Amino acid sequence: DAGITQSPRHKVTETGTPVTLRCHQTENHRYMYWYRQDPGHGLRLIHYSYGVKDTDKGEVSDGYSVSRSKTEDFLLTLESATSSQTSVYFCAIKAYGYTFGSGTRLTVV
Amino acid sequence: GIQVEQSPPDLILQEGANSTLRCNFSDSVNNLQWFHQNPWGQLINLFYIPSGTKQNGRLSATTVATERYSLLYISSSQTTDSGVYFCAVELATSGSRLTFGEGTQLTVNP
Repeated sequence: DAGITQSPRHKVTETGTPVTLRCHQTENHRYMYWYRQDPGHGLRLIHYSYGVKDTDKGEVSDGYSVSRSKTEDFLLTLESATSSQTSVYFCAIKAYGYTFGSGTRLTVV
Repeated sequence: GIQVEQSPPDLILQEGANSTLRCNFSDSVNNLQWFHQNPWGQLINLFYIPSGTKQNGRLSATTVATERYSLLYISSSQTTDSGVYFCAVELATSGSRLTFGEGTQLTVNP
């Protein structure tokens, strides 16, 4: 276990509300990532971070923002949730290869 | 962009059978990993294998980087092997980001 914790594990929210998902690591890795997984697709990269306050967009970044004010925490924010953002969200760190958290199942109703 | 293609998309086996899953990628890679996503949704790292061959119990993997493919072998399959197997690559030219294939859905029947 690479010490990655995602919270919450499950969340149901209403369309138009803001939502923040948290990824916490205990091992001081530089790189952290947010992916989403939808039926019929593999995991797709939303945003990633290569250090405190250093972030970049992935292939499906529209509607999402991220922040990394501490090495151990990487936050993903949906400013105004939409039904198309219903998905399973995975956080990952890069060490020797990539290791993934347990996922957050988000439902937007 | 980088293309990662996995085959077959679906595979149904009887317990005890062997199988080979394939991953083709379109460019040079720094990293290639095989993951198993179990029925509870957890992503389990099987192999970190940018080149060469590795074995772990009943599973083994081979990556031929010059020909841009990787193979995952499962021998004497068990029902607990069921789930989705993903290949994911890190391009040599795109920096530290992992791109996934669409996966192979494996079902092992008793």
